Amino acid sequence: QTVVTQEPSFSVSPGGTVTLTCGLSSGSVSGSHYPSWYQQTPGQAPRTLIYSTNSRSYGVPDRFSGSILGNKAALTITGAQADDECDYYCVLYMGSGIWVFGGGTKLTVL
Amino acid sequence: QVQLVQSGAEVKKPGASVKVSCKASGYSFSNYHLHWVRQAPGQGLEWVGTINPSGGITSSAQKFQGRVTMTRDTSTSTVYMDLSSLRSEDTAVYYCARRAFVQGVMIPFDYWGQGTLVTVSS
Repeated sequence: QTVVTQEPSFSVSPGGTVTLTCGLSSGSVSGSHYPSWYQQTPGQAPRTLIYSTNSRSYGVPDRFSGSILGNKAALTITGAQADDECDYYCVLYMGSGIWVFGGGTKLTVL
Repeated sequence: QVQLVQSGAEVKKPGASVKVSCKASGYSFSNYHLHWVRQAPGQGLEWVGTINPSGGITSSAQKFQGRVTMTRDTSTSTVYMDLSSLRSEDTAVYYCARRAFVQGVMIPFDYWGQGTLVTVSS
């Protein structure tokens, strides 16, 4: 079974830029996987940040951007702020109605 | 406005079944697929399955096949997830989430319910 991979943790300085990635245990991520990204703070439901690789959800600041970098989907946060410190998840479409989430990345801003 | 309101927390014994509901409002219920996603304590998100409210067609992750049943009631705009043969590892918050299309582009999980905690304990 294909596994979706994310960095377990990442650290960024306030005001800095960080790129989180979302890959496959076998193969490359492409637009046909409809990569999307979600932000989750403790005790809350996830919030959609990016869908279809690089489309920002309503109300999401342009500090957040999505792309394909090499063989992975990527979420880039520029001008990191303290309240960006939370968990980030990607999800990929595997075909036949099947979706798989990555394990999530815990982002620390310090 | 779009709302997905889920049923309350449940405590079940191992081997039992649980049925969680998700009532949709603020949009045309039959036109949007609904997913179920779960999150065990301190763990990541896990896709459980999806139902098309229009025809009731479902798809689910292989690990849940045979144990999960997703249904809908179009008269009340409600979808249900029934998980059977519960074990302690099924303890999790279960979310429903809507799939949408905006100008032909799919947003896989755009609106989320508030989550329902299911605890499996003897």
